[in-house]
Amino acid sequence: DAGITQSPRHKVTETGTPVTLRCHQTENHRYMYWYRQDPGHGLRLIHYSYGVKDTDKGEVSDGYSVSRSKTEDFLLTLESATSSQTSVYFCASTAGQGRLGATEAFFGQGTRLTVV
Amino acid sequence: DAKTTQPTSMDCAEGRAANLPCNHSTISGNEYVYWYRQIHSQGPQYIIHGLKNNETNEMASLIITEDRKSSTLILPHATLRDTAVYYCIVRLPGSSNTGKLIFGQGTTLQVKP
Repeated sequence: DAGITQSPRHKVTETGTPVTLRCHQTENHRYMYWYRQDPGHGLRLIHYSYGVKDTDKGEVSDGYSVSRSKTEDFLLTLESATSSQTSVYFCASTAGQGRLGATEAFFGQGTRLTVV
Repeated sequence: DAKTTQPTSMDCAEGRAANLPCNHSTISGNEYVYWYRQIHSQGPQYIIHGLKNNETNEMASLIITEDRKSSTLILPHATLRDTAVYYCIVRLPGSSNTGKLIFGQGTTLQVKP
């Protein structure tokens, strides 16, 4: 499996506090993604990055910001956590344009965030 | 990225082939079809992908129709461990900033003894 790790794996935080989740990959992948997953919903894309300092919004980006200062790290920040942001967060990475023209994405194990 | 449509749920008997359909009628010529699955609350796992030819690997086979508007993932001999949510995704190869990976609702496959 590709080396992609998320930290922390679990976090409880209070409403109104900022929270940063980290995704770290050791595969030199160009693309990285942050998703959230809630009961009754599939994976919803929050933000993604297509290179260092290159990011774009996904489907549910309100209340979240991201940064990618290095290829290996993609940070997700909840600027002021709300209870509606209680969720499981997954990050993923992919090389994108590979030798065969398309490559698969590898996912982290998830971060369970609870906002109280 | 093209949207996909999958049945919400399916059942399959253990040892039998599981055939999971996906419609992607708005797919463009250079978009790939990917399949992932998610077991319990783990991170999604890549299964297979293809462009227009049928593909097979150690996990599954992917059958893409000639017009590319639909595809079928085949698990040849389903086991209880194949019970999962299966996602069909279409995506550009990612040579530009259009490499988003958008998941739909997926199909919950229940493999029964």
